[in-house]
Amino acid sequence: EVQLLESGGDLVQPGGSLRLSCAASGFTFSNYAMNWVRQAPGKGLEWVSAIIGSGGSTQYADSVKGRFTISRDNSKNTLYLEMNSLRPEDTAVYYCAKDHKASGYTYGYSLDYWGQGTLVTVSS
Amino acid sequence: EIVMTQSPATLSVSPGERATLSCRASQSVSSNLAWYQQKPGQAPRLLIYDASTRATDIPARFSGSGSGTEFTLTISSLQSEDFAVYYCQKYYNWPLTFGGGTKVEI
Repeated sequence: EVQLLESGGDLVQPGGSLRLSCAASGFTFSNYAMNWVRQAPGKGLEWVSAIIGSGGSTQYADSVKGRFTISRDNSKNTLYLEMNSLRPEDTAVYYCAKDHKASGYTYGYSLDYWGQGTLVTVSS
Repeated sequence: EIVMTQSPATLSVSPGERATLSCRASQSVSSNLAWYQQKPGQAPRLLIYDASTRATDIPARFSGSGSGTEFTLTISSLQSEDFAVYYCQKYYNWPLTFGGGTKVEI
């Protein structure tokens, strides 16, 4: 059974930093690209970032480019999101989500498994 | 950036009725489109990918159609558990983008 478990969400002041983690199990982690998707309170879904299975390629939404860094440790089956220079508009539930298709060369597909999310609140 | 627009924002239907949800892309996304269902307090659930293929364990009452810029999610006979918010998402290119959602309510 595929499981994704996010952690690391917290209350942080504007300008602060936070690192989110997502522990994966139930599939061959290194074969799949992984994503972070966020949802502000009462709002819709916003894709944040993606990383290919090998970790050698990443993508970011313009809203977080230069502030957030996605990474993964395939030996630990864990995905990370390093968030710096946080803003109030970054307040959201952050979900990690698995690409639907396994691929070592391409990524960016539908997202077939999602964690339950971790809440990040940016406020003074 | 390709913008995804969903309509209507809210759809009021009765159990047993048919629901038709629309998603429009600002430029062609071929068939690189997915639909998700989200219930309050839960993570999204993949329903449809590649515009018309049902994901694993998704009931046959859910169907997707369309290509290019116009897409439809149809729920043939609404069950009580289908009342939720539905999102479309394109994966034709970066960035991945979601529509604003359609809330299906009683």
